[in-house]
Amino acid sequence: DAGVIQSPRHEVTEMGQEVTLRCKPISGHNSLFWYRQTMMRGLELLIYFNNNVPIDDSGMPEDRFSAKMPNASFSTLKIQPSEPRDSAVYFCASRQTEGKLFFGSGTQLSVL
Amino acid sequence: RKEVEQDPGPFNVPEGATVAFNCTYSNSASQSFFWYRQDCRKEPKLLMSVYSSGNEDGRFTAQLNRASQYISLLIRDSKLSDSATYLCVVSGSSNTGKLIFGQGTTLQVKP
Repeated sequence: DAGVIQSPRHEVTEMGQEVTLRCKPISGHNSLFWYRQTMMRGLELLIYFNNNVPIDDSGMPEDRFSAKMPNASFSTLKIQPSEPRDSAVYFCASRQTEGKLFFGSGTQLSVL
Repeated sequence: RKEVEQDPGPFNVPEGATVAFNCTYSNSASQSFFWYRQDCRKEPKLLMSVYSSGNEDGRFTAQLNRASQYISLLIRDSKLSDSATYLCVVSGSSNTGKLIFGQGTTLQVKP
């Protein structure tokens, strides 16, 4: 199994630009999570999906952030426009219901 | 109050020491509890689940105290390779699937 696949691994962009992060969950997993990690705030849950449906997006910081899951094998997290304070590592994770949570390798985002 | 709280440490211990971490959670309806380990610049990985009766996996022991709403992780005979950040994870209310991570406790095991 390839595991959870995230792309890109690193993203450097300028303030105001649109950023799109991508995630392919493990086949057969029905829950997908987006987390953001910074030194100051630790690992924060942004949004999660069950069976492609967003269940809780209360962690999404602002309207600049949006996430979609058009099918069971793909999800995106978009930031538009990006700001320097969005710089962080963004993790995608997936699991079967009540099962073990598997993380992708993360996307290191730097907004200059 | 944060939903899941941990002492960030760092905990600096010599090899062979026993070290314990605690984690408190605010949602009394939480049903599932885990400990994850995260190495520097890597993704978190499951260390062990935490069961109501307590459970052990080699040198690691996890316990749950529902009345006081905390979970603990005990590491015996610490190894250099145990150096990492240990993350406490708590589920939301039953059937929501939501998983909340603590900020993590950093452990540094020294020779």
